[in-house]
Amino acid sequence: DGGITQSPKYLFRKEGQNVTLSCEQNLNHDAMYWYRQDPGQGLRLIYYSQIVNDFQKGDIAEGYSVSREKKESFPLTVTSAQKNPTAFYLCASRGTGQGRSTDTQYFGPGTRLTVL
Amino acid sequence: RKEVEQDPGPFNVPEGATVAFNCTYSNSASQSFFWYRQDCRKEPKLLMSVYSSGNEDGRFTAQLNRASQYISLLIRDSKLSDSATYLCVVPLGGSQGNLIFGKGTKLSVKP
Repeated sequence: DGGITQSPKYLFRKEGQNVTLSCEQNLNHDAMYWYRQDPGQGLRLIYYSQIVNDFQKGDIAEGYSVSREKKESFPLTVTSAQKNPTAFYLCASRGTGQGRSTDTQYFGPGTRLTVL
Repeated sequence: RKEVEQDPGPFNVPEGATVAFNCTYSNSASQSFFWYRQDCRKEPKLLMSVYSSGNEDGRFTAQLNRASQYISLLIRDSKLSDSATYLCVVPLGGSQGNLIFGKGTKLSVKP
């Protein structure tokens, strides 16, 4: 089945540790995104990538890093510099090119990160 | 800053009721709009896209008023399974395809 997968579903981190969240898609989408969602808040953009080997900071990139070495994969690292990392992290992808369907982002199931 | 505003609710309605959500946006250049549905502790899923004045899909109708910069979502004959948070989403503009998400309106349909 085509889709977006994220792992792990739940992640617990001790303060001061870096952790990496996985996001993989087999939709052949060029663009990928990372969002953070806090209770009662809208989704906030962390990083995005329009093409392999290129990515840009979103609205709340501080304390996070990403890589885009393969089209299918866009891992997010939450570093110890992120002051309040406990949140629900969502990865999304979007097809690029012509047509209205390229406006739409499709989401993975998310990773819930808790800092102990 | 470009924003998307929604009434957070919750909207508590009985089964069979008709309920409408409104959303206002500030980016007048936006051409397409979306409603996503998000169940508790799950990812958002696309419910409807709106490219012209409106769109209808079964019990769901989305309408767009460009002059007043608002989008509405109407749900007829509410079902228990419609209980969720509904996110209004507007493109930021530009070639990056970035989206601006509203905080969502929570709907609870009761028996």
